[in-house]
Amino acid sequence: AQKVIQVWSTASRQEGEELTLDCSYETSQVLYHLFWYKHLLSGEMVFLIRQMSSSTAKERSGRYSVVFQKSLKSISLVISALQPDDSGKYFCALWELEVRGSALGRLHFGAGTQLIVIP
Amino acid sequence: NAGVIQTPRHKVTGKGQEATLWCEPISGHSAVFWYRQTIVQGLEFLTYFRNQAPIDDSGMPKERFSAQMPNQSHSTLKIQSTQPQDSAVYLCASSLDRGLGGRDTQYFGPGTRLLVL
Repeated sequence: AQKVIQVWSTASRQEGEELTLDCSYETSQVLYHLFWYKHLLSGEMVFLIRQMSSSTAKERSGRYSVVFQKSLKSISLVISALQPDDSGKYFCALWELEVRGSALGRLHFGAGTQLIVIP
Repeated sequence: NAGVIQTPRHKVTGKGQEATLWCEPISGHSAVFWYRQTIVQGLEFLTYFRNQAPIDDSGMPKERFSAQMPNQSHSTLKIQSTQPQDSAVYLCASSLDRGLGGRDTQYFGPGTRLLVL
């Protein structure tokens, strides 16, 4: 079963608008982290922002912020003041710390959402 | 501060040939991960090293694929007798370690695009 689900495969907005990308996940672990990455045309996967399951802080990094709804197992990436360079594919990823303490280390990725920002 | 380096960026092989992909993690990072990206399967985990030791290779195809980390500055992914279905972007990532507190963030290289004809 897929652990990370990104429902929208594509999205488009006008420059200057704000966008919310949704992600839902499945885990039975108490401690886990959620990441957002952006996949560039060059092939590089760029880390954007991280949310720890144990944190209630509203994470923010520049124009990126997250909306974390732990009880719903949902995390959304909010990008404000969109720019054409924000176009790209955005991936949500889950990292779990297993109860026995041995983190496997792998990330589970969603299918990604392709964003197009229209100038 | 150099990021994760992957070479080559593009590789074309004939069916049945061998392909070796290289990854140089960020200096000081103790964990190295390999992932594969295809249109059909998306991003799949392959294998993971910590302090050069193989920790989890559960994502590796049992035949033809192998990975090594002979020293802390590079890891290789080798595919023997390549098949067209091996065509994919192979991504390498590194992190400080597997622990908590932000040290687990994985930073990715640009990937190697492998095409098997």
